[in-house]
Amino acid sequence: GQQLNQSPQSMFIQEGEDVSMNCTSSSIFNTWLWYKQDPGEGPVLLIALYKAGELTSNGRLTAQFGITRKDSFLNISASIPSDVGIYFCAGQLEVVTGKLIFGQGTTLQVKP
Amino acid sequence: NAGVMQNPRHLVRRRGQEARLRCSPMKGHSHVYWYRQLPEEGLKFMVYLQKENIIDESGMPKERFSAEFPKEGPSILRIQQVVRGDSAAYFCASSPKRGGASRETQYFGPGTRLLVL
Repeated sequence: GQQLNQSPQSMFIQEGEDVSMNCTSSSIFNTWLWYKQDPGEGPVLLIALYKAGELTSNGRLTAQFGITRKDSFLNISASIPSDVGIYFCAGQLEVVTGKLIFGQGTTLQVKP
Repeated sequence: NAGVMQNPRHLVRRRGQEARLRCSPMKGHSHVYWYRQLPEEGLKFMVYLQKENIIDESGMPKERFSAEFPKEGPSILRIQQVVRGDSAAYFCASSPKRGGASRETQYFGPGTRLLVL
């Protein structure tokens, strides 16, 4: 089945630093989504990308849909303690069902 | 507008018992997705339902698992004769339209953590 490779697996950074994570796939996706999951909660949508090459920002977050449609990255600028959590990329492959394929997640820890 | 609601939030079952997980989608949403998350892993698609119809169950184990989304009431994910390997977090997501074609994203509930003893 389709797989998304997300990296890095974990990051431990100082408050104020910038963060970058990415996802790659062997399949072409129609949509890329980035979610954040806090402990004990469900994923919360951060950014949605619908077109190859699209660059979208949401506050300190910026994400891009790769030109090849097989990859995406998420950047977080000037990290703060509340950025702590697990970040997941998700690709939407099938137009008919819209089911999502998730990456393995990047665990972010921020040291004040 | 209330978000996606799932209950129970935590469920403990002994091997061989049945587990019933409920999901109430956001108001106005008629599309429901169920995902399973094992510890330290990403979410894995299980099943996609519209009201009274199963559209895609390609991610659902062939035995012991079933799902429904009746005309009235919540969507139910049912696991019969649970085994320890069923221990996981089960999330449901809802969408107002078919996500792939309409750019309508999926909104997730808080999940049900199932522990099988």
